[in-house]
Amino acid sequence: AQKITQTQPGMFVQEKEAVTLDCTYDTSDQSYGLFWYKQPSSGEMIFLIYQGSYDEQNATEGRYSLNFQKARKSANLVISASQLGDSAMYFCAMRERMGAQKLVFGQGTRLTINP
Amino acid sequence: EPEVTQTPSHQVTQMGQEVILRCVPISNHLYFYWYRQILGQKVEFLVSFYNNEISEKSEIFDDQFSVERPDGSNFTLKIRSTKLEDSAMYFCASSDRTSGVGTQYFGPGTRLLVL
Repeated sequence: AQKITQTQPGMFVQEKEAVTLDCTYDTSDQSYGLFWYKQPSSGEMIFLIYQGSYDEQNATEGRYSLNFQKARKSANLVISASQLGDSAMYFCAMRERMGAQKLVFGQGTRLTINP
Repeated sequence: EPEVTQTPSHQVTQMGQEVILRCVPISNHLYFYWYRQILGQKVEFLVSFYNNEISEKSEIFDDQFSVERPDGSNFTLKIRSTKLEDSAMYFCASSDRTSGVGTQYFGPGTRLLVL
């Protein structure tokens, strides 16, 4: 079974609009962490934002925020006021069990920002 | 800002040859990782390394693979006898811990092509 599901293979958004990238996860652990990474066409993986399972507030980091709905096991990334430079692949990842080491990634969503 | 570096950025090799991919993790980090991403697919965990030994590995990380921290700064991935299916982007990552946020910061990757 997929641990991380990203159901949107591609998204097209007009510049300056907000965009939500979906991520659902599957775990039986109570303690886990959720991460979003951006991969531009150059290939590197850039950390964007983190949400811990016990965090009561949704994480925010500049224009990025995470809409964390624990009961629904979803951790959607919201990018406000999108910019052309936001065009990239976006990966949701989970680290199960605090103390575990591997990240499990979703298939990614390719976001294209149109001028 | 400290960053993970990787060399080479690209490597082309013949099937059956040995390759060594090199990484310099962030200097005060204690946990080191290798991931790979086959073209167009999701990022997959290979191995994690802590305190000079492998702490976790995936089923991909078979006897053809090995990791080493030969000195206080470098972290290497060796593939003993490369196969065509080893062609992928290989990412090194490091983190300062595995509890709390413990964000894994990724290097820019080495693109390996096996002919």
